[in-house]
Amino acid sequence: AQSVAQPEDQVNVAEGNPLTVKCTYSVSGNPYLFWYVQYPNRGLQFLLKYITGDNLVKGSYGFEAEFNKSQTSFHLKKPSALVSDSALYFCAVRDRGGSQGNLIFGKGTKLSVKP
Amino acid sequence: ETGVTQTPRHLVMGMTNKKSLKCEQHLGHNAMYWYKQSAKKPLELMFVYSLEERVENNSVPSRFSPECPNSSHLFLHLHTLQPEDSALYLCASSQGRTGGFSYEQYFGPGTRLTVT
Repeated sequence: AQSVAQPEDQVNVAEGNPLTVKCTYSVSGNPYLFWYVQYPNRGLQFLLKYITGDNLVKGSYGFEAEFNKSQTSFHLKKPSALVSDSALYFCAVRDRGGSQGNLIFGKGTKLSVKP
Repeated sequence: ETGVTQTPRHLVMGMTNKKSLKCEQHLGHNAMYWYKQSAKKPLELMFVYSLEERVENNSVPSRFSPECPNSSHLFLHLHTLQPEDSALYLCASSQGRTGGFSYEQYFGPGTRLTVT
């Protein structure tokens, strides 16, 4: 069965420092991996995805994520955090070889960036 | 957000009421989804429509009834809900569902539903 784990409920970072939001996954085949962000009272907004190719994926707002097949991880990173990055972040996975094609979401990680 | 819109944004209803949530996508997509987002729980996929045909119903109670009249519109009809149904209901759309799972989903802002 497919699953996604976001081990941290909350991540606190000072503005200007690098940030990492962790995600690990479990699928039977090769994965498609996604990151979404949700600001208060808003829907989920797509940030980036890994499909194939370069393990380092760049996305919106200066975010990037690194696919690590051996560690089954897809951590979200940003070199310098902004207060406006404070939001709820969701990792999602889809089994490339699966028949359903549904996205499986993690529980979310709340990112808090302090000035 | 102009890509996927949802109305109303907030809804308070009694347990005996009947109401409907509306979703409209302006992206030319052919798959649409309803999700339920409750506090401290992962997103729950409720229904999936592909080319206006319901392709998935994830054991959702019959008090939730979806309708997809065309590829741009999706409704969720509600009747005799329970207080535990209070949540944020999110609509999403994507370019395709079958034969190519690399497509990301685009979400609307959600309807905050409170059942009293």
